[in-house]
Amino acid sequence: GQQLNQSPQSMFIQEGEDVSMNCTSSSIFNTWLWYKQDPGEGPVLLIALYKAGELTSNGRLTAQFGITRKDSFLNISASIPSDVGIYFCAGSVTSNTGKLIFGQGTTLQVKP
Amino acid sequence: DAGITQSPRHKVTETGTPVTLRCHQTENHRYMYWYRQDPGHGLRLIHYSYGVKDTDKGEVSDGYSVSRSKTEDFLLTLESATSSQTSVYFCAISRSSGRENTGELFFGEGSRLTVL
Repeated sequence: GQQLNQSPQSMFIQEGEDVSMNCTSSSIFNTWLWYKQDPGEGPVLLIALYKAGELTSNGRLTAQFGITRKDSFLNISASIPSDVGIYFCAGSVTSNTGKLIFGQGTTLQVKP
Repeated sequence: DAGITQSPRHKVTETGTPVTLRCHQTENHRYMYWYRQDPGHGLRLIHYSYGVKDTDKGEVSDGYSVSRSKTEDFLLTLESATSSQTSVYFCAISRSSGRENTGELFFGEGSRLTVL
């Protein structure tokens, strides 16, 4: 089946540092999405990308849809303690079902 | 807040017993989903629904059934729970109502199930 490989698995950084994580696949996706999950809660949508090459920002977060449609990355600038959590990439192949394939997640810890 | 309520939030049961998890939404959305989350696997789709009485399988549907008799409720049933079904289960909705459903999902808070 389709799989998304997300890296790194975990990161431990100092407050104020920039963070970068990415997702790759052997398959083409039509939509890439990035979610964040806080402990004990469900994932929350951060950014959605719909076109190859698209670069989208949401505050300190920036994400890009790779031009090959097989990868995406998420950058977080000037990290703060509340950025702690698990970040998931997700991809959608079909355009009318909303079915998503998720990466394994990147656990981010921020040291004040 | 996407108006999603999952119940129960926590359940401990024994192998072989039936279990039903309920997802209730208040916003009349067409699409609803059940995912399970396990360490190292991210979230995996179990079943989804695209309308009342309209459901389809996801990638890990074996051992699970679903029903949607009303727009607002999507039930996930484990007919005979096994230890491998110990997991956190998330319900999600999509706010897309037209032909394009791009996967912008909104998740509930999860139901933690332990099968002993």
